[in-house]
Amino acid sequence: EPEVTQTPSHQVTQMGQEVILRCVPISNHLYFYWYRQILGQKVEFLVSFYNNEISEKSEIFDDQFSVERPDGSNFTLKIRSTKLEDSAMYFCASRRAGGDTQYFGPGTRLTVL
Amino acid sequence: DAKTTQPPSMDCAEGRAANLPCNHSTISGNEYVYWYRQIHSQGPQYIIHGLKNNETNEMASLIITEDRKSSTLILPHATLRDTAVYYCIVRVVMDSSYKLIFGSGTRLLVRP
Repeated sequence: EPEVTQTPSHQVTQMGQEVILRCVPISNHLYFYWYRQILGQKVEFLVSFYNNEISEKSEIFDDQFSVERPDGSNFTLKIRSTKLEDSAMYFCASRRAGGDTQYFGPGTRLTVL
Repeated sequence: DAKTTQPPSMDCAEGRAANLPCNHSTISGNEYVYWYRQIHSQGPQYIIHGLKNNETNEMASLIITEDRKSSTLILPHATLRDTAVYYCIVRVVMDSSYKLIFGSGTRLLVRP
């Protein structure tokens, strides 16, 4: 059964550094999402992406964040200058065209020191 | 904010049915009810969704009341591996991005 995959599973970085989190959505899916979950808190929507552009973003998704689909298979989330409060689990999700359901990846745990 | 209300925790015995309630009294006529679960810190796992009719798949059954103001997720024979946080989510139809707004969910503990 096809799955969303994410790399790395755990990323440790210093405050102020740039990080790129990678996702490989399910192959025939066209809608892509990033969510995050700070430890002990709710899963929060960050951004949705379709047809090579952002379709919606939350207040969390400020200028420090960007998303890209650099090729036909990867979907990335970049945090330009990480802050301590960016430490969280980051989940990628994808959905096929005409489909109702988002499928989530296993997540990347980002730790900012 | 999430448009659903769920009990913070529940438990059930292994092998018995787990019935997880959800209140969504402000749901609009064409908004779907989704259920996901999250085991430990893993990615949310899709379980089932429905609009008006009851739904069943290999994982669970979803019972939606006739007025659509509440629903119940049923795990017919709970196992220890079903211990997780279960989220009931109403997906906003006018939202073209189909984003999911997660609440706090119900923490289900399946006892041996």
